[in-house]
Amino acid sequence: GAVVSQHPSRVICKSGTSVKIECRSLDFQATTMFWYRQFPKKSLMLMATSNEGSKATYEQGVEKDKFLINHASLTLSTLTVTSAHPEDSSFYICSVGEGTEAFFGQGTRLTVV
Amino acid sequence: GDSVTQMEGPVTLSEEACLTINCTYTATGYPSLFWYVQYPGEGLQLLLKATKADDKGSNKGFEATYRKETTSFHLEKGSVQVSDSAVYFCALSRSGGYQKVTFGTGTKLQVIP
Repeated sequence: GAVVSQHPSRVICKSGTSVKIECRSLDFQATTMFWYRQFPKKSLMLMATSNEGSKATYEQGVEKDKFLINHASLTLSTLTVTSAHPEDSSFYICSVGEGTEAFFGQGTRLTVV
Repeated sequence: GDSVTQMEGPVTLSEEACLTINCTYTATGYPSLFWYVQYPGEGLQLLLKATKADDKGSNKGFEATYRKETTSFHLEKGSVQVSDSAVYFCALSRSGGYQKVTFGTGTKLQVIP
């Protein structure tokens, strides 16, 4: 199946700064990638669908100006958390769909201090 | 909307003990059901799936049966090993697995020798 690499695995940043998380599909050209977020002791929630060459589709309640998604190529999608605040601290994970199966990256633990 | 509820962890078992992780779902229609596993430091991997009622998914000694009447998809294994220590996520999807996936909160399993 598809191999998905996410970077970085952990990041600590200061409040007010921006953080970029990369999701790469190493062996599969993905026109669509998905970004999820997990709050402590809660489910992984779909944040947005990243579409190659066009705007991302955000789930209800997700601030698109805060969570910028860029899908410039068939193998790379990026999530930028802008002007990060402590409440943005969370686990973020991306996925790629191949056939009828989803393949996930390792996830990124973001801590905003 | 769709939701998945799974038992709170962590679950600690001795090697060779029996494992059951309960999972129930709420969804209209006939979703596909999944169990994903996340080993320490790695991404989510599909463990097993079932796409219609009464289907049994199985892999690596783990099993789960799609019970429409009880809206359940409990994960079972007869004899766990230390290498099974991981976080297990129950999930559902309406479109075969690679579009929007709704996850449970995850259950951490620790198997001690």
